[in-house]
Amino acid sequence: DAGVTQTPRHEVAEKGQTIILKCEPVSGHNDLFWYRQTKIQGLELLSYFRSKSLMEDGGAFKDRFKAEMLNSSFSTLKIQPTEPKDSAVYLCASSLRGSQNTLYFGAGTRLSVL
Amino acid sequence: GDSVTQTEGPVTLSEGTSLTVNCSYETKQYPTLFWYVQYPGEGPQLLFKVPKANEKGSSRGFEATYNKEATSFHLQKASVQESDSAVYYCALSAPSSSGSWQLIFGSGTQLTVMP
Repeated sequence: DAGVTQTPRHEVAEKGQTIILKCEPVSGHNDLFWYRQTKIQGLELLSYFRSKSLMEDGGAFKDRFKAEMLNSSFSTLKIQPTEPKDSAVYLCASSLRGSQNTLYFGAGTRLSVL
Repeated sequence: GDSVTQTEGPVTLSEGTSLTVNCSYETKQYPTLFWYVQYPGEGPQLLFKVPKANEKGSSRGFEATYNKEATSFHLQKASVQESDSAVYYCALSAPSSSGSWQLIFGSGTQLTVMP
């Protein structure tokens, strides 16, 4: 089975730009997560979808971050407008309901905002 | 609220020595406990999980016991290798305020093993 696929692997943006990160979960998984990873804050939850319904929207990330599940096998994370403090690795993960909540992560997208 | 606290890194060891990464948790629920490992350029991957108290999980020579009384889940390995160099995350799954569930991660422990 293919794992979680994230594209692009690297993204460089100017401050104020709009960027869209993409994620394809493991086929058949019901739950999808977006995390931000930095050395200082570690792993921070941005969004959580269960069967395409938004369950968690990450509180502090609401204003400029928007995740969507366009169908059960594709999700996007839009950051608009980008700021230098958004520079981080963005990780997508999926899980199969009934798997005791085991997450399968993609390799991540490294975003640099200049 | 629920939380996970683990050994502050970085940790540097010589090949062949033993490893302990401490992990303590707080929750009023009955969580499943996890150890994830993240190698450079990759996302975290499951090392092993333990859903029940007083049971042990293990993989690749690593092991941890779910100690409900002490609320601990310390990661141990008797003899580390250079290939074990990675970041290790302790995590727990628990119900969230929205009625679904959440995976709460510790801050991660960077391990470097010198040859």
